[in-house]
Amino acid sequence: SAVISQKPSRDICQRGTSLTIQCQVDSQVTMMFWYRQQPGQSLTLIATANQGSEATYESGFVIDKFPISRPNLTFSTLTVSNMSPEDSSIYLCSVGWTHSIGTQYFGPGTRLLVL
Amino acid sequence: DAKTTQPTSMDCAEGRAANLPCNHSTISGNEYVYWYRQIHSQGPQYIIHGLKNNETNEMASLIITEDRKSSTLILPHATLRDTAVYYCIVYNAGNMLTFGGGTRLMVKP
Repeated sequence: SAVISQKPSRDICQRGTSLTIQCQVDSQVTMMFWYRQQPGQSLTLIATANQGSEATYESGFVIDKFPISRPNLTFSTLTVSNMSPEDSSIYLCSVGWTHSIGTQYFGPGTRLLVL
Repeated sequence: DAKTTQPTSMDCAEGRAANLPCNHSTISGNEYVYWYRQIHSQGPQYIIHGLKNNETNEMASLIITEDRKSSTLILPHATLRDTAVYYCIVYNAGNMLTFGGGTRLMVKP
């Protein structure tokens, strides 16, 4: 298993600004993922954060809007750029291992409200 | 990945077994059944997974029918802390996890 922390835990932002969310895991992991959970909805995968290379984005998500970094095996950041109220969601980081992507461990989430 | 169908919500009395069904009639031979739960204001938590055989761990049991078209997650003695949304996911190695709507389980005193 793994213990994941996210910062900030919540934030209220003005439209047009950007917010960077940090995800830290207590052990080296091969896979790190970013999800979005809109109010009252299920989770949607944004992208896979790849160490040392560009993230792999899912359909409907683009790098300009959600730039992701992963400088090492225990840390990743997700930036929500040029925010609008529609970006108000919970953003979740998860981790896993290449041989067992189905088993993921999730952080507590970052609750974002955009005014 | 195959689609899953779960009841939107269920109630269970505290101390009784909670049996959460999941239909996955289009599952293929190499797809696993995974269960996660999400307690309010927390990230999802992995519970259990299986391919063909029934599985048990410290959290729950997973019963998969012989034809693999459906499964049941069993929480043997539900507590108030088991109140959560439970997600049944059919997963194919090499793909990503896809979360559906889940079942909102309410454990009542």
